[in-house]
Order: sequence, then C-alpha cells, then structure tokens
Amino acid sequence: GAGVSQSPSNKVTEKGKDVELRCDPISGHTALYWYRQSLGQGLEFLIYFQGNSAPDKSGLPSDRFSAERTGGSVSTLTIQRTQQEDSAVYLCASSWTVETQYFGPGTRLLVL
Amino acid sequence: GQQVMQIPQYQHVQEGEDFTTYCNSSTTLSNIQWYKQRPGGHPVFLIQLVKSGEVKKQKRLTFQFGEAKKNSSLHITATQTTDVGTYFCAGSSDYKLSFGAGTTVTVRA
Repeated sequence: GAGVSQSPSNKVTEKGKDVELRCDPISGHTALYWYRQSLGQGLEFLIYFQGNSAPDKSGLPSDRFSAERTGGSVSTLTIQRTQQEDSAVYLCASSWTVETQYFGPGTRLLVL
Repeated sequence: GQQVMQIPQYQHVQEGEDFTTYCNSSTTLSNIQWYKQRPGGHPVFLIQLVKSGEVKKQKRLTFQFGEAKKNSSLHITATQTTDVGTYFCAGSSDYKLSFGAGTTVTVRA
C-alpha cells in the first residue's frame, strides 16, 4: 500500500490480557515510531526504530510494554497484562529520517 | 529533556476571523514541523521549517520559525469550517520529534 497501515483498527480487551498491535510502515522507510494518544491529549512518544540500530525505548511507560521490528519493516507493539489506563489510540509513524513522519490510522485500544 | 509547549490549548473562532497558535521549546531545535489532525483522524504533515526566521505560507496558513529556533507560530487567516481540527507542532532534536499538546480549533459559522 501507499501509506502506513495498522491493525487492528479497534481492540477491546479485558484488564489483565495481553494485546499485540501491528504496524506496516511505508516501504523503504528506515525509521519507525510508536506514539500513544489519550483522549483529547497530545502525542506521547513510546519507541523509535532506525534501521538496524538498537531501538530507543525511553518512552515506554512500563516494562509491560515492548516492541519489535522484524526485518526492518513490520513492527509489533505488545502490551502485557493490560490496565485500564492503557486505553488510548496507538499511532505508528514511519519516515526516511527524522523528517516528515507519515502516520497510520491508529489502533483504538479499550481496556475494560 | 526537550519539551515543546503549545498555546492556546483550545481556540474557538468565528468563521472568517484570524487566529494564531504558538509553540515554544525549552531547547534550540534543528527544525520544527506542523501537523494537523482532523477529528477522528490521524496527524497529517503540513510543513517543516528549518532556517532561523523562516516564514512559509500555504494558502491561508502562515508558519514562522523564530530567530533563536526555539519558537514557532501558525497563523490562519479567514478561518473556514475546513480548518477544524487539532494543530500540533513538533520540534526536532537529533532523531526524535517532541510534540506539543496541540491546539484544538473549533469554528462557529
């Protein structure tokens, strides 16, 4: 596809369950970012991947959050033992460098 | 760490009026970007400013980067209902973009 895609678009889960969110970046983009956006709030940086370098995980809010990027392309954000405060829209963005970031449509996560 | 602050948080505008939203960084930026997020949508890139004092225009939108590269502004003239949404500035330092909290714009016809 031409843009960044994310799946699922919506996810409802029960407190304590694990969830996996997927991001397919634009082909050829070396940089991939994950952000979290709570209702009516700004963008909270979570994690950054650039090529084969070690990811910058400084934004992950707790050790329940982890992310992988396989083969320099698709990325998966995993949240273990979800809590209600994890409810938010999780946005993925990709870019060539730190220039223009192209955002996916996001995954809306609701933890009951 | 780098912090980017944006004001105002909300802007309610009469259609046809002008308004400005401001962005301030605690550190000098290598560049600043502006994004627009329509209600229910995702952020979409509008523009990037790189040079000190740079001014760029997109139709009714005027973007400015401060001389010290620590602040920026977005001015919209003759606001239209299509301008509704949240405008984010994002300051770049190294590889990371730090987003402001956004200015949410509503327009009354």
